[in-house]
Amino acid sequence: DAGVIQSPRHEVTEMGQEVTLRCKPISGHDYLFWYRQTMMRGLELLIYFNNNVPIDDSGMPEDRFSAKMPNASFSTLKIQPSEPRDSAVYFCASSPPGQGGRQPQHFGDGTRLSIL
Amino acid sequence: QQPVQSPQAVILREGEDAVINCSSSKALYSVHWYRQKHGEAPVFLMILLKGGEQKGHEKISASFNEKKQQSSLYLTASQLSYSGTYFCGIAISGGYQKVTFGIGTKLQVIP
Repeated sequence: DAGVIQSPRHEVTEMGQEVTLRCKPISGHDYLFWYRQTMMRGLELLIYFNNNVPIDDSGMPEDRFSAKMPNASFSTLKIQPSEPRDSAVYFCASSPPGQGGRQPQHFGDGTRLSIL
Repeated sequence: QQPVQSPQAVILREGEDAVINCSSSKALYSVHWYRQKHGEAPVFLMILLKGGEQKGHEKISASFNEKKQQSSLYLTASQLSYSGTYFCGIAISGGYQKVTFGIGTKLQVIP
């Protein structure tokens, strides 16, 4: 079975540019999570969706970040304008239906983002 | 709300045992454990749902003390393949799937 698919794997861009990260969750999973990973803060939850609806976006750093999930098989995380401090590895994860807190999360391979 | 993991890093020789602790300031509904190898995605190890519950995965097991709001991951007879960063994640509610992860514990197993 295909796992969570993220693209691009690597992104290098200049400060001020718009960045769009993409994620395809595992078919049948109804939860989708976006995380940011840095050495200092570890894995930070940015936002998560249930059945394509954003449930909690309290981890989104500021208005420059936005996320959408137009359908069950696709989500985007957008940064506009990008800043050097946004450099990190961004992971997407999905989990199957079930009682909250009881389901494992399946992570994609991540996008390594560098803002120059 | 981020759980606190200890130690932050540990180096083991093959065959040695290790314990990684995870504690929370809030009451826990469940505790998740993941392992991440360098340059790769985190991989699910196990979930613990009940106080005092212990679960196992190969020679890796974990306990969950609901009263103390903490969990411990036990690695016995460590192998080189156990090297990586171990994350605990906590869920404080059963309503949704939100899990908050700790900073991680970097484990290195050497020959």
